[in-house]
Amino acid sequence: GENVEQHPSTLSVQEGDSAVIKCTYSDSASNYFPWYKQELGKRPQLIIDIRSNVGEKKDQRIAVTLNKTAKHFSLHITETQPEDSAVYFCAARWRDDKIIFGKGTRLHILP
Amino acid sequence: EAQVTQNPRYLITVTGKKLTVTCSQNMNHEYMSWYRQDPGLGLRQIYYSMNVEVTDKGDVPEGYKVSRKEKRNFPLILESPSPNQTSLYFCASSAKSGNSYEQYFGPGTRLTVT
Repeated sequence: GENVEQHPSTLSVQEGDSAVIKCTYSDSASNYFPWYKQELGKRPQLIIDIRSNVGEKKDQRIAVTLNKTAKHFSLHITETQPEDSAVYFCAARWRDDKIIFGKGTRLHILP
Repeated sequence: EAQVTQNPRYLITVTGKKLTVTCSQNMNHEYMSWYRQDPGLGLRQIYYSMNVEVTDKGDVPEGYKVSRKEKRNFPLILESPSPNQTSLYFCASSAKSGNSYEQYFGPGTRLTVT
């Protein structure tokens, strides 16, 4: 069935280290993969996205990689900072324009 | 200012009493969507709309209705709310074409059904 699996559900990293969150999706026709950040009590906001015709995209400390064959994509945050602490959601846009989100990863940046 | 607005922000109601949560966007977006957010379950899509008079079921449409009579508005209707619909609801909108389908989320509506 339609599914996006996200791992891990919780991640703690030392400030300055890197964080990696992974997602897999079930529909090979999915063509758009966004990542959203949600701070406590706030709405989700897009931080980076990638289309299916691109393998990697980078924006300063944030990067997303996509492996279409394996149907998985990952978020990479380098040189983590306290303000990176939040819940991160991956998502995939299905062929019928439905959007399926992963269950989220709570990222803790330790001082 | 480009934005998505939702009303009300907080609502406590009783089982069976019909309610409507409004959503409006001023960005001329074609795509609009409703999500519910529950602890440990992430964001689940309820309904979405690709344009005026076009709506489709998302992952969890049971117990909800929507309409899209105008491009800017996409109300969520609960005809007979039940306690399992207690949740945080987000409306979102995005463009339908281009390089990004970035969704802009509203501030959320916290609904409690007793």
